[in-house]
Amino acid sequence: DVKVTQSSRYLVKRTGEKVFLECVQDMDHENMFWYRQDPGLGLRLIYFSYDVKMKEKGDIPEGYSVSREKKERFSLILESASTNQTSMYLCASSRSGRTQYFGPGTRLTVL
Amino acid sequence: GESVGLHLPTLSVQEGDNSIINCAYSNSASDYFIWYKQESGKGPQFIIDIRSNMDKRQGQRVTVLLNKTVKHLSLQIAATQPGDSAVYFCAERGSGGYQKVTFGTGTKLQVIP
Repeated sequence: DVKVTQSSRYLVKRTGEKVFLECVQDMDHENMFWYRQDPGLGLRLIYFSYDVKMKEKGDIPEGYSVSREKKERFSLILESASTNQTSMYLCASSRSGRTQYFGPGTRLTVL
Repeated sequence: GESVGLHLPTLSVQEGDNSIINCAYSNSASDYFIWYKQESGKGPQFIIDIRSNMDKRQGQRVTVLLNKTVKHLSLQIAATQPGDSAVYFCAERGSGGYQKVTFGTGTKLQVIP
């Protein structure tokens, strides 16, 4: 079975803090993704990566950056957290052309 | 722009009955469609997928139907159980671009015991 894990299930940060969300997959997938999920808006793509050290902006990259130094790990960084970044963050991975598999999510609250 | 949507935000079904969840998509160039199930507090879980060269695909208790003429996708769940209660998303992948998938906002399925 594919396993995608995320470093935290719940996280509370203060405005202006730097936040790191980590995602690890154990299936040697080339592609990894970060989404945020908000009520009524569905899943929106923040960034994705199709190879180590490669990244592409998704639909809402503003206020976020990513890092992929190893194939199995994809990190999402909030350089200076703001209250409008309070959300559920979901990581996913896939082989090229195949289904995306999701992690359990990190519920981030920015105070 | 392109969009993927669901006809009903909430669907209530009696335990043991069949459920049908519908989805309309607008990108006629999409070549791959997926259904996900998301239980409360968890990440989306893959249920079943279908390619655009097919019109039906069956899994265990689930069937996905694709009607490209009217750009409609449906998920049928046979003999619905309480454990099927969740939010169900349809998603489409365009034929171009890197793996970018557009998700619908979801339908909540409530199973009445």
